[in-house]
Amino acid sequence: RKEVEQDPGPFNVPEGATVAFNCTYSNSASQSFFWYRQDCRKEPKLLMSVYSSGNEDGRFTAQLNRASQYISLLIRDSKLSDSATYLCVVNMRGSARQLTFGSGTQLTVLP
Amino acid sequence: GAGVSQSPSNKVTEKGKDVELRCDPISGHTALYWYRQSLGQGLEFLIYFQGNSAPDKSGLPSDRFSAERTGGSVSTLTIQRTQQEDSAVYLCASSRGQGPYEQYFGPGTRLTVT
Repeated sequence: RKEVEQDPGPFNVPEGATVAFNCTYSNSASQSFFWYRQDCRKEPKLLMSVYSSGNEDGRFTAQLNRASQYISLLIRDSKLSDSATYLCVVNMRGSARQLTFGSGTQLTVLP
Repeated sequence: GAGVSQSPSNKVTEKGKDVELRCDPISGHTALYWYRQSLGQGLEFLIYFQGNSAPDKSGLPSDRFSAERTGGSVSTLTIQRTQQEDSAVYLCASSRGQGPYEQYFGPGTRLTVT
C-alpha cells in the first residue's frame, strides 16, 4: 500500500463547478498535512496547509479526518486557472525526509 | 527574494555518460531535497540533507546516483553511466529547517538520455 494515495483522475469539470479530491494516508501517526499544486511542466508549490479543524482559503477548503486517515480539498466556483495537478502531502512521523508526496490528482476546468 | 535555482534547465546526454545537476537553495534554508519526476508520474524522493547531519540517501535508485552538499548550501546530484530510464525532471527543494516545513522547489532540470 502506498504511504499516500490519491485518485489520479483526470477530473474534467466545467467552469463554476465544485470539485472535491480525497487523499488517504497509511501512517496513523502522521502529524502535518498539505496540498500542493503543480502546473503543467512547472514545479510544485504550496497551496495550503490542512488543519485539524479544517480551514478555508477563498474558494478552497481543506479538511482532515484523522479517524479515517484521509484529507480532502474542495474547490468551489472553479476557474480555468485552477487546472493543474493537486498533490496531497503528509508528514510521516519518524521520517527524516519529512514530507511524503502523493502522485497527484489532475484537474482540468473546461470553458 | 531569490528562490531555489537549478542548472542546467535542460540536459541531453548520451547513454553511458556522467552528468552533474546543480541546486542552489534559498539562503538560510538548512534542509535540501532532491526528487525525480518522470513524465506523468508523481515525485520520487531521492535524497535529503539537513545541516551537518548525514544525508538520508534511502531514495537513491542505484549506486550510479550520488549527491553532495558543500558548505551547507549548494548541492550537486551526479548520475554516472546514465541509462535511458534516468530520463526525467530532477527537482530540488529547500526548507527552513528540520521539520514539516513548506518545501520550496526549483524549476527542475529536464534530463534526456539518448
